[in-house]
Amino acid sequence: DTGVSQDPRHKITKRGQNVTFRCDPISEHNRLYWYRQTLGQGPEFLTYFQNEAQLEKSRLLSDRFSAERPKGSFSTLEIQRTEQGDSAMYLCASSLGGEGGLRVFGPGTRLTVL
Amino acid sequence: AQSVSQHNHHVILSEAASLELGCNYSYGGTVNLFWYVQYPGQHLQLLLKYFSGDPLVKGIKGFEAEFIKSKFSFNLRKPSVQWSDTAEYFCAVGPGTYKYIFGTGTRLKVLA
Repeated sequence: DTGVSQDPRHKITKRGQNVTFRCDPISEHNRLYWYRQTLGQGPEFLTYFQNEAQLEKSRLLSDRFSAERPKGSFSTLEIQRTEQGDSAMYLCASSLGGEGGLRVFGPGTRLTVL
Repeated sequence: AQSVSQHNHHVILSEAASLELGCNYSYGGTVNLFWYVQYPGQHLQLLLKYFSGDPLVKGIKGFEAEFIKSKFSFNLRKPSVQWSDTAEYFCAVGPGTYKYIFGTGTRLKVLA
């Protein structure tokens, strides 16, 4: 499979629990992005990696959120002490570097916090 | 602050009707412009892109978009829609090489 994959596709959790999502980008892509999409909105940028380095974090990414890309390949996004407002679709995308690098999006992980 | 506006949130058309979806952005510098489409149950997919050159760009499935710099607009058009075009369409602006800003999307429903 040459696309971007995300796991799990759906996650239901209780408020206060921690959750972790995984993204596997296209293997030759050195850039990886996380976005969040809520109902009726477009994707909102959360954070971005070039190889293993996290180069920018949005102000949307509170201290409860952490993302890693330890070996420059797959990435994880962890949300600690989930809140109902965290319910959203979490999208991962990858691209080659440079302006010509077009993002390929994964299917997303839908998080529901009860 | 940089922003992208999509004025039509829901559009309903009959097959063979013409389509135009509006997209305006606020950013004073050089931008890259995109339209993405999300078919029901599928991933976001790139429909077309503008980086430089001819402001009229053609994408997949008969879609095209025109960049009008003076109006900060990048409207999406298709002369004759099909039922299979039913989807949600997102305009995105890239003021940099890594940070896209998406509009709120337009849900298009094409009636057979």
